[in-house]
Amino acid sequence: KAGVTQTPRYLIKTRGQQVTLSCSPISGHRSVSWYQQTPGQGLQFLFEYFSETQRNKGNFPGRFSGRQFSNSRSEMNVSTLELGDSALYLCASGASGPYNEQFFGPGTRLTVL
Amino acid sequence: GDSVTQMEGPVTLSEEAFLTINCTYTATGYPSLFWYVQYPGEGLQLLLKATKADDKGSNKGFEATYRKETTSFHLEKGSVQVSDSAVYFCALRSNQFYFGTGTSLTVIP
Repeated sequence: KAGVTQTPRYLIKTRGQQVTLSCSPISGHRSVSWYQQTPGQGLQFLFEYFSETQRNKGNFPGRFSGRQFSNSRSEMNVSTLELGDSALYLCASGASGPYNEQFFGPGTRLTVL
Repeated sequence: GDSVTQMEGPVTLSEEAFLTINCTYTATGYPSLFWYVQYPGEGLQLLLKATKADDKGSNKGFEATYRKETTSFHLEKGSVQVSDSAVYFCALRSNQFYFGTGTSLTVIP
């Protein structure tokens, strides 16, 4: 089974621009979560989608948004980029159910200049 | 709300030393507990999990026991190797996943 894939792997943007990151979950997984990882803040939860509906949301400003498509692929968008948005963005997919683990992709490294 | 607290790093050990990384949690209900490992430049990989009290998760020589009475899920390994150098994350799943801040482990030959 193919793992979670994320594109692009690396991205460089300038302040004020917007960016869209993509995540393809493991086949059959309907849950997709997004995390921001930085050296200072660690791993922070952004949001979770399940069957095209946002199920949970972390404490991030409205500049961060996401969506999930009917094939479970997900995109995350960040508008009006700030220097502090530089981070590794991780996507994770999982099967439904309270005991199931999440499987992580390799991440997208975003650098904002 | 639910949360995970894990021991601050970094941790440096000599090869074949005993490893313990402490993890405690706060949660309502009965969460599932996990340990993930992250190698440099990669995403997180599941190391082991436990879904109910007294369950022991184990993998690659690592073990952790779900202790409800002490709300803990400490990670242990009897003899670490250089290849175990990585960042380790404790996590719980209730309504969503909650991760600890990560503990960096370096094993020196």
